[in-house]
Amino acid sequence: NAGVMQNPRHLVRRRGQEARLRCSPMKGHSHVYWYRQLPEEGLKFMVYLQKENIIDESGMPKERFSAEFPKEGPSILRIQQVVRGDSAAYFCASSHRDRPYEQYFGPGTRLTVT
Amino acid sequence: KQEVTQIPAALSVPEGENLVLNCSFTDSAIYNLQWFRQDPGKGLTSLLLIQSSQREQTSGRLNASLDKSSGRSTLYIAASQPGDSATYLCAVRQGSEKLVFGKGTKLTVNP
Repeated sequence: NAGVMQNPRHLVRRRGQEARLRCSPMKGHSHVYWYRQLPEEGLKFMVYLQKENIIDESGMPKERFSAEFPKEGPSILRIQQVVRGDSAAYFCASSHRDRPYEQYFGPGTRLTVT
Repeated sequence: KQEVTQIPAALSVPEGENLVLNCSFTDSAIYNLQWFRQDPGKGLTSLLLIQSSQREQTSGRLNASLDKSSGRSTLYIAASQPGDSATYLCAVRQGSEKLVFGKGTKLTVNP
């Protein structure tokens, strides 16, 4: 029973490139959450998705960031035209629709922008 | 806007000592509070979840208390071990599914 999987674990991008981060929720989970952890900061909520729907994107930067959770396949967090300030650890969590308060976290993707 | 503060930011103790980590939050209208453990380069592991109607939760050597009215929670670790070394995060949940996290307390237990 695999947990939440994220890939890649480490990603290096040059300024201006695109970054795609993937999250496969736990089996049976249909809710996905993305959080960002900047250096020396706590985790900050970015977006909450259910299959094919964005439920809450109040924590997403207005530009360059987007997220999706298609009917099939993993959830994708996409960052266009990355800047140095995007360097952070991005964590995905998932939960079952009947127990949304039990979020299980993945190992994170560490994005470095050079 | 909910803000979560954790004190101290870092703590170093000798093995076997009992210790307390503190968490405070500014808005007492929470659904629950959760303590996590984060190991370097890894994800978060949930330790304890306290519903807003509860006062405390226990798991093994860990005990978490919640005083919602004063906006405080403590995580008590008994008989600390080197394997307890990690960063401990406190997070609260309000009227939605998202969690609001503190910056964490980095704990080092010296053998």
